[in-house]
Amino acid sequence: EAQVTQNPRYLITVTGKKLTVTCSQNMNHEYMSWYRQDPGLGLRQIYYSMNVEVTDKGDVPEGYKVSRKEKRNFPLILESPSPNQTSLYFCASSLNRGQYGYTFGSGTRLTVV
Amino acid sequence: AQSVTQLGSHVSVSEGALVLLRCNYSSSVPPYLFWYVQYPNQGLQLLLKYTTGATLVKGINGFEAEFKKSETSFHLTKPSAHMSDAAEYFCAVSGKIYNQGGKLIFGQGTELSVKP
Repeated sequence: EAQVTQNPRYLITVTGKKLTVTCSQNMNHEYMSWYRQDPGLGLRQIYYSMNVEVTDKGDVPEGYKVSRKEKRNFPLILESPSPNQTSLYFCASSLNRGQYGYTFGSGTRLTVV
Repeated sequence: AQSVTQLGSHVSVSEGALVLLRCNYSSSVPPYLFWYVQYPNQGLQLLLKYTTGATLVKGINGFEAEFKKSETSFHLTKPSAHMSDAAEYFCAVSGKIYNQGGKLIFGQGTELSVKP
């Protein structure tokens, strides 16, 4: 089944403890992206990647890192999480410049205390 | 810069009634247009998209949307609401400029409630 897989689905962590949210897609998509969803603010892009080793900042990149060493994987790294990064995170992938629409993962609900 | 406006953060309809969710966009060139649906505790699922060609597009679950360039709109409709349609709906646009990486810009979302 074609899908984007995120792990974990739920995570509670403490301020400052590094964490990684994994994202993997099995559709051979070039484009991958991370979004965060917050009440009243909608979905905002954190980082995106147009291909292996090509990443760039989205609208809200502060406090996040990403890497794209392989086409299928696009992990999101929080080096020193803070409470304002408590959010619902989505990974998404697309075949070609997003004109076909993105396929989204099921989301990771992160709470930083 | 591109932006998306969804009119009405909450829409309530009776089962069997017409569903109309409004979306207007702002863009210097007509973008790619999408509607996504999000059920509770789930990710976003693509309902339908407009990229080129026929301006009336049909999607899953009986939904359709019409691209109107003159009105910069992409409203979502369904003739007869079903209880299972209760969810949050997002309109989104994606630019045709290569170096934007196909970035999706989302509207704020419209929560649809369906009354029995």
